[in-house]
Amino acid sequence: DAGVIQSPRHEVTEMGQEVTLRCKPISGHNSLFWYRQTMMRGLELLIYFNNNVPIDDSGMPEDRFSAKMPNASFSTLKIQPSEPRDSAVYFCASSLMLGAAGGANVLTFGAGSRLTVL
Amino acid sequence: AQSVTQLDSQVPVFEEAPVELRCNYSSSVSVYLFWYVQYPNQGLQLLLKYLSGSTLVKGINGFEAEFNKSQTSFHLRKPSVHISDTAEYFCAVGAKKLVFGTGTRLLVSP
Repeated sequence: DAGVIQSPRHEVTEMGQEVTLRCKPISGHNSLFWYRQTMMRGLELLIYFNNNVPIDDSGMPEDRFSAKMPNASFSTLKIQPSEPRDSAVYFCASSLMLGAAGGANVLTFGAGSRLTVL
Repeated sequence: AQSVTQLDSQVPVFEEAPVELRCNYSSSVSVYLFWYVQYPNQGLQLLLKYLSGSTLVKGINGFEAEFNKSQTSFHLRKPSVHISDTAEYFCAVGAKKLVFGTGTRLLVSP
């Protein structure tokens, strides 16, 4: 398996532009997570999906951020309009989450997308 | 609510010396604990996990961690480090959602 694949690996854009980050989870995994990593705030969970349905988006900073998962093999995180404070590394992770009594959830992370907003 | 505190932001150590990276957690529900490692410009990789059973957990690359419920700790240890262990290490707690600590940078020098 190629693991979790994210694109682009690096993105430099200007303030006000739309940014779209993409993620292909591991085949067979049923859950997908978007995290953001910054020096100031560390790793923050933005949103996660289970069976393509958003379950918890409480970490999404504001309305400028949106995430979709149209099918089991693809997800996007969109920022519109982008701002300099959105500069960070965005990680996608996937897992095979068992049912409500299934216990722990072991995440496999992608290599990340480094976003710089000028 | 769940949280993790990594007490050291950076730990310098000489090659072949032992190391301990500290992690304390807070959780009001079943405790599942993880250590992940992040090498430069890469994503996080799972080192080891505690789900239940034996409190001493062995992971990859010679690392191990001990779950201590009374002290709410899950410290990571390695008896002899290598230069290649230089990386950022993250402790995490959670079941469906993982909450990560702020990370500890391990710097191994010759």
